Amino acid sequence: DTEVTQTPKHLVMGMTNKKSLKCEQHMGHRAMYWYKQKAKKPPELMFVYSYEKLSINESVPSRFSPECPNSSLLNLHLHALQPEDSALYLCASSLAVSTDTQYFGPGTRLTVL
Amino acid sequence: GENVEQHPSTLSVQEGDSAVIKCTYSDSASNYFPWYKQELGKGPQLIIDIRSNVGEKKDQRIAVTLNKTAKHFSLHITETQPEDSAVYFCAASYSNQAGTALIFGKGTTLSVSS
Repeated sequence: DTEVTQTPKHLVMGMTNKKSLKCEQHMGHRAMYWYKQKAKKPPELMFVYSYEKLSINESVPSRFSPECPNSSLLNLHLHALQPEDSALYLCASSLAVSTDTQYFGPGTRLTVL
Repeated sequence: GENVEQHPSTLSVQEGDSAVIKCTYSDSASNYFPWYKQELGKGPQLIIDIRSNVGEKKDQRIAVTLNKTAKHFSLHITETQPEDSAVYFCAASYSNQAGTALIFGKGTTLSVSS
């Protein structure tokens, strides 16, 4: 089973709202990732967690706040977003944060009004 | 900085023809090169990957070749089918002080017509 699940599938929020995106995997992977993907563009790395510790933060604005409560779960807390933050947010996981295969979830389509 | 160039950006073929997508990377320390297929409304799906100690890898109709000297790798799809139509991304690993991650090419939209 190489499944990464993400909820919700779609999310519409206002600029003053607070919402969270959730990601889950049960493959025993110890590295988890958040990517942002705009239309017709490649995924862009936002955050990497390794063994539940933040390993990489690609200079993402503080209105995006990641959290890794345990090795199977990854959250992305959203607050005071801008319309330009509208995108597909992808979660991925890999066995380790080295060069191992990354498996992606289906993504959450976020629209900020 | 690290960069992956991918060509062509669009590719149209007839069913049964072969398709080739090429990527070059800039970081000579990169040692892992996956290819992803992304269908509309879905997340990227890994279709094949290759590591730097291997020159070629094949899985049924899909093959990948790697030339480390030229920093170049390619995806080959033979006997294309309409269901192969999708966006394909190449990627290369890169490392910095914080860890190792992937950098993606800009993608190739493949259209297979029957």
